[in-house]
Amino acid sequence: EDKVVQSPLSLVVHEGDTVTLNCSYEVTNFRSLLWYKQEKKAPTFLFMLTSSGIEKKSGRLSSILDKKELFSILNITATQTGDSAVYLCADSGAGSYQLTFGKGTKLSVIP
Amino acid sequence: DTGVSQDPRHKITKRGQNVTFRCDPISEHNRLYWYRQTLGQGPEFLTYFQNEAQLEKSRLLSDRFSAERPKGSFSTLEIQRTEQGDSAMYLCASSFGLAGRRNEQFFGPGTRLTVL
Repeated sequence: EDKVVQSPLSLVVHEGDTVTLNCSYEVTNFRSLLWYKQEKKAPTFLFMLTSSGIEKKSGRLSSILDKKELFSILNITATQTGDSAVYLCADSGAGSYQLTFGKGTKLSVIP
Repeated sequence: DTGVSQDPRHKITKRGQNVTFRCDPISEHNRLYWYRQTLGQGPEFLTYFQNEAQLEKSRLLSDRFSAERPKGSFSTLEIQRTEQGDSAMYLCASSFGLAGRRNEQFFGPGTRLTVL
């Protein structure tokens, strides 16, 4: 059975700090690893990673996948209060398009 | 707004009643998914459609749950004889059918169900 574990479960930082969120996964015949941001509403798509070692970037956010060690990280530089949210990691395996989510990391950015 | 839409946004019902939720996916997406999310947890997969065909169902989807996508566009999720344990946020997502983009699932705002 697929398993996605995120750490830490919660994190409090000051504006301007850099944070690293972790995601480890176990899935049969890995297909992709996805990151979402969830504020008080539905998850919004951030990144999808399929290849190991290739960093994806969008502004201050970046993510990378290590398929050998079965983990991914999400980095946020120069954090802002608007980055406060729950960040969800999800994986999918071959033969299925369902996503298996972790519990999320709750990030709080204080001024 | 061309995103995924869901209706209603909130539903309060009494135990034992039936409820039905609707999801309208992004128009060019042919895959549609239902998830359930409870407090402090990530979304849990319920079922998935490609066009009008229901291709996967989770074991979480008991006999009281049924989903349809009759014309391959909008979908409905019905819960019969609701129980308090059904209280959750029900999320709908959609994605392209194109290889390489099938897993980029875009979520709607959700329907929050409260069973009293």
